[in-house]
Amino acid sequence: DVKVTQSSRYLVKRTGEKVFLECVQDMDHENMFWYRQDPGLGLRLIYFSYDVKMKEKGDIPEGYSVSREKKERFSLILESASTNQTSMYLCASSLISGGERVWGYTFGSGTRLTVV
Amino acid sequence: DQQVKQNSPSLSVQEGRISILNCDYTNSMFDYFLWYKKYPAEGPTFLISISSIKDKNEDGRFTVFLNKSAKHLSLHIVPSQPGDSAVYFCAASASSGTYKYIFGTGTRLKVLA
Repeated sequence: DVKVTQSSRYLVKRTGEKVFLECVQDMDHENMFWYRQDPGLGLRLIYFSYDVKMKEKGDIPEGYSVSREKKERFSLILESASTNQTSMYLCASSLISGGERVWGYTFGSGTRLTVV
Repeated sequence: DQQVKQNSPSLSVQEGRISILNCDYTNSMFDYFLWYKKYPAEGPTFLISISSIKDKNEDGRFTVFLNKSAKHLSLHIVPSQPGDSAVYFCAASASSGTYKYIFGTGTRLKVLA
């Protein structure tokens, strides 16, 4: 069974801490993504990567950075955690769609981060 | 500016009836569309997809319809079951871009027994 694994289901961190959220996929997917989900705002894209060592900003990259040193691993880094970064963080991976073949995302189970 | 909109935050339907969830988009370059279902404290799970080559795609109880001229898609669930109660997200992507998907804000479906 293909999987996207996020290292933690729940995290509590203090304001100002540097936070690492890890994501690993075993499907040899090229693309990996980090979203956050907030009530009433849906899923918003933070960063994505379409190849090793490649990264692109999504819609809300401020306060975040990412690292993709290996194809299977995509890390999200909160440089200095703040209370407005309290959220559900979702990692996803995908192949590239083409023609009639639509490849969707496979999501991890999510990390509920609380910054106090 | 929200490129993918789900204007109904919630929907309640009786068990056995049809559930219709709607989604509108503004970017005419979008040509791949997905629906996801999400239970609390879990990651979204893929339901059904459609590309702009088609106007309908079926998978069991789930059918997605795409109206490109209206920039509108809908998800039909027939018959609805209590286990379908979840938040549903539509998402859209442009193949000319980087295959990132833009998600709507979600519709919470409640199927009443």
